[in-house]
Amino acid sequence: AQSVAQPEDQVNVAEGNPLTVKCTYSVSGNPYLFWYVQYPNRGLQFLLKYITGDNLVKGSYGFEAEFNKSQTSFHLKKPSALVSDSALYFCAVRDQYNDMRFGAGTRLTVKP
Amino acid sequence: GAGVSQTPSNKVTEKGKYVELRCDPISGHTALYWYRQSLGQGPEFLIYFQGTGAADDSGLPNDRFFAVRPEGSVSTLKIQRTERGDSAVYLCASSLRTSGSRETQYFGPGTRLLVL
Repeated sequence: AQSVAQPEDQVNVAEGNPLTVKCTYSVSGNPYLFWYVQYPNRGLQFLLKYITGDNLVKGSYGFEAEFNKSQTSFHLKKPSALVSDSALYFCAVRDQYNDMRFGAGTRLTVKP
Repeated sequence: GAGVSQTPSNKVTEKGKYVELRCDPISGHTALYWYRQSLGQGPEFLIYFQGTGAADDSGLPNDRFFAVRPEGSVSTLKIQRTERGDSAVYLCASSLRTSGSRETQYFGPGTRLLVL
């Protein structure tokens, strides 16, 4: 069975500092990994995905994520956080056999 | 349209009533998904459509839940005999192709359902 874990409910960073939001996964087949962001009273917005190829994936708004097969991780990163990055972030995984499975989410707060 | 739209944005109903939630996917997207998001949790898969047919409905919690997509575009999620535990945000998403484990799903703003 596939699963996703986001070990941190909350991440706090100061504006201008680098941020990391962690995600680990478990799948049967080859993983397809996604990050979404959710602002209050809004739907999920797609940030980036890993399908195959380069382990470092670059996405919207300066975010990137690194696929690490040995550690089964797909952590979301940004070199310099903005206050406007404050939101709820979801990691998701699927493979060719199963539908999308989401993590419980991590609330990112960027303080000025 | 420019994105996935869902109506109504909010729905309040009484226990035991019937509700319908509508989703209008991105034009040209052939796959459509329904999810349920409870407070403090990630979205939970309910059902997905490949064209007009339900390709996978394994996430529907029980037979009170049903969804249709008669013309392969707009979809309606129907909940009979609503219960307080059905209160959640119901999200719809669409993607470009039907065979798409790799395809990005684009989400609508959701319908917030409250069952009193």
